[in-house]
Amino acid sequence: GENVEQHPSTLSVQEGDSAVIKCTYSDSASNYFPWYKQELGKRPQLIIDIRSNVGEKKDQRIAVTLNKTAKHFSLHITETQPEDSAVYFCAASRREGLTFGGGTRLMVKP
Amino acid sequence: GAVVSQHPSRVICKSGTSVKIECRSLDFQATTMFWYRQFPKQSLMLMATSNEGSKATYEQGVEKDKFLINHASLTLSTLTVTSAHPEDSSFYICSARDWTGSYNEQFFGPGTRLTVL
Repeated sequence: GENVEQHPSTLSVQEGDSAVIKCTYSDSASNYFPWYKQELGKRPQLIIDIRSNVGEKKDQRIAVTLNKTAKHFSLHITETQPEDSAVYFCAASRREGLTFGGGTRLMVKP
Repeated sequence: GAVVSQHPSRVICKSGTSVKIECRSLDFQATTMFWYRQFPKQSLMLMATSNEGSKATYEQGVEKDKFLINHASLTLSTLTVTSAHPEDSSFYICSARDWTGSYNEQFFGPGTRLTVL
């Protein structure tokens, strides 16, 4: 089955700086790679996703890149704000349920 | 976006009792729903895939006789935790798949926090 590794597990940045979270996956057949933001006790919120036929996608301050050959994908958040503080999860899937990475706790210091 | 509801949001029960959790897709039909479990400060782990009109598919290590799944209609899947014990205490989250082409976009319910005393 699929295995997703996520790094770092915690990330602390100053407000306005950029944050980068990286994930690797094992199943070359995976074709859908979403990123979720989860606040304590709440459901995961989809913030951006990328599909295997695309190498990069951007939505305002958030961007995701995908390297299918190396089987890794990354989340980039620019101009971080305190409200970006949360736990972020990457995931990968083909047709089945999602396999999540271990999560990254992002702390943005004002 | 598509809306998924889950009920109850929180339940506390005594050890040995059974608890039923409902997951509904409110504005779309979902032939496939998924059940995840999340322990405190951990990631989400897929428990099972619920298919309308057929038996659920369970992930390795998940006891199908303990976690009963019924996907009775295109908008409702239920998870019953039978004979719950304290180690079953967790955050249970469902998701429903709304196919976008051939990709696996999923929409999550708000989750159910189960506490077994």
